[in-house]
Amino acid sequence: DIQMTQSPTSLSASVGDTVTITCRASQTISSFLNWYQQRPGKAPTLVIYAASSLQSGVPSRFSGSGSGTEFTLTISSLQPEDFATYFCQQSYSTSMYTFGQGTKVEI
Amino acid sequence: QVQLQESGPGQVKPSETLSLTCTVSGGSLSDSNSFWGWIRQTPGKGLEWIGAIYYSGNKYFNPSIQSRVSASLDTSKNQFSLRLTSVTAADTAMYFCLRGSYKLGAFDYWGQGVLVTVSS
Repeated sequence: DIQMTQSPTSLSASVGDTVTITCRASQTISSFLNWYQQRPGKAPTLVIYAASSLQSGVPSRFSGSGSGTEFTLTISSLQPEDFATYFCQQSYSTSMYTFGQGTKVEI
Repeated sequence: QVQLQESGPGQVKPSETLSLTCTVSGGSLSDSNSFWGWIRQTPGKGLEWIGAIYYSGNKYFNPSIQSRVSASLDTSKNQFSLRLTSVTAADTAMYFCLRGSYKLGAFDYWGQGVLVTVSS
């Protein structure tokens, strides 16, 4: 299985800050990397797909970059609704999708 | 707008079979651009992919539970289902059904989730 490792596990930030979350894959996955946001008690929602493409309806303050084994999700000018947990997920291995352990963005 | 809704018992006894159904609205199981799947979430293991089923009939399951899991599509009802046999406490989780998009290479629609507890 392709292992996905996120860092940090959690971070504290304030409204208006810029935060960056890193995701590393245990092997190269090209750009087959997605990011999801999960608010408490809700299902995850797609934020970024194919490493850097913004999902429809997602604010442009979200951006993704990277390829190969290292990827980042950046949230610029944090808004109150952005405080949530973020997961990366590889879609390179379509017979066994795997997720990172999550990064909780806290106030 | 595609919507997915899981249904099934909230509690299952150990060694019994967990059965969940996902009803899709606003989209079709026959959509060749999509596939359908299940993921579960626990505080300890995080998000764990269970498996996916394709309109073609192909199915892929997590090897860790492959021997206990099956899935099916009912296009007449626009529903797909999951069965997990011989459940144990380790199968206690929030179960989500979802749609996968070939175009995006991602899971673009999720159900709200159903909490399943394995307990006698």
